[in-house]
This record gives sequence, structure tokens and C-alpha cells, in this order.
Amino acid sequence: NAGVTQTPKFQVLKTGQSMTLQCAQDMNHEYMSWYRQDPGMGLRLIHYSVGAGITDQGEVPNGYNVSRSTTEDFPLRLLSAAPSQTSVYFCASSSGLPYNSPLHFGNGTRLTVT
Amino acid sequence: QQPVQSPQAVILREGEDAVINCSSSKALYSVHWYRQKHGEAPVFLMILLKGGEQKGHEKISASFNEKKQQSSLYLTASQLSYSGTYFCGTPPNTGNQFYFGTGTSLTVIP
Repeated sequence: NAGVTQTPKFQVLKTGQSMTLQCAQDMNHEYMSWYRQDPGMGLRLIHYSVGAGITDQGEVPNGYNVSRSTTEDFPLRLLSAAPSQTSVYFCASSSGLPYNSPLHFGNGTRLTVT
Repeated sequence: QQPVQSPQAVILREGEDAVINCSSSKALYSVHWYRQKHGEAPVFLMILLKGGEQKGHEKISASFNEKKQQSSLYLTASQLSYSGTYFCGTPPNTGNQFYFGTGTSLTVIP
């Protein structure tokens, strides 16, 4: 099993450009989520999904969109990139709710917005 | 919503012990612990559920005191491989969201 796969690993964008960060998991996990990690701020929840067709906002959702059309995929869209979105993005999934299920992380996407 | 971790950073010599604390101003329903090596993804260590339980993972164990709204991670006889940043994570309830602490950088030196 590949686990959680994120692409691309690195990306450089210009301010105002849009792009989609891909996340796929092959563990049949219902719960998927996106985090951003910035120095000194830990991991902050952007959006999450408890199953296909269901998404909700985390603590820092502004500037990002998500959709969940299949159990396997949970892409994160940046609508109009800003330098403040320079960060490392992690996708994570779990077999149940995070209350009692461990999160499995992808290897991350390092995004730079100039 | 974000739990608070202390200390922010610690340096140990091989064989020494360390304690990392995680506390919240809100009720804790469970606590996760993860370790992240530089440039890598966080890796799950353990979950502690309500009940004041203590868990172990090799020489790493943790406790959870729901009344005090805090958890502690204990690293005994530290090894070089223990170096990394440790994060606690907590859900605000038994629902869908999950928040991480700001992390504790642990460096083990020979």
C-alpha cells in the first residue's frame, strides 16, 4: 500500500495564480484533512472531510477550497495565491474520526508564493 | 483551540530522560502524540483516551489526566533516533476537528 500520496512535492507560484494540491489515499479511509505547517505555529487545520461529498472548514480555511468526489481523493485548491500561503502542506487521513483514530500523513507539498 | 506544549525546545545527552507537556484550556477527549523528523511528515506515536490511562511505545510512554486537561510524554534513556519535533494533538470534542500543539523540539546529542 502506498498510504497517503501528495503531489507535487515542491511548487513555486506567482501571486494571483491558482493551483491544486493533490492528495490520494489507498487505505479506504473515510476521514481526510489538510494542514499547513509554518515555523513556530505547528500544524493548522485548513479543511477536512468525513466522507465523499462532505467537507467542512477548519481553523484557517480562507483562500482555500476543497471537494471530495471519491473516498480516495481530497484535492486542495488555492484560488488566488498570496505570499501568506507560502507553507508546507500536509494531507492526512484516518480510518475513523480523529477522536480515537490515528492520522496518517502524506509527505507534504512545499509551496512558495512570490 | 490549539493545545499548549512545554518546553518549546530541549537538548539531551544520550541516556537522559525528558518530559514534554501538553495542556488545554478546554476539556480534552483524547490526546495524540506524533514525532516529526526534519523535512519529513509527522508520524503517529500513540493515542490516549479518557480514563487517565498511560501507554507505552518502546521507551516512550505517555499519561493523560482529563481532569487537569493535560497530557505528558515521557522519553526515558533517550537515543539519538529520538531527535525530532514532538506534537500533541487533541479534538475539541468527539467530532471531526483536530488541533495540534505548537511542538517541542527535542535534540539528543552523543
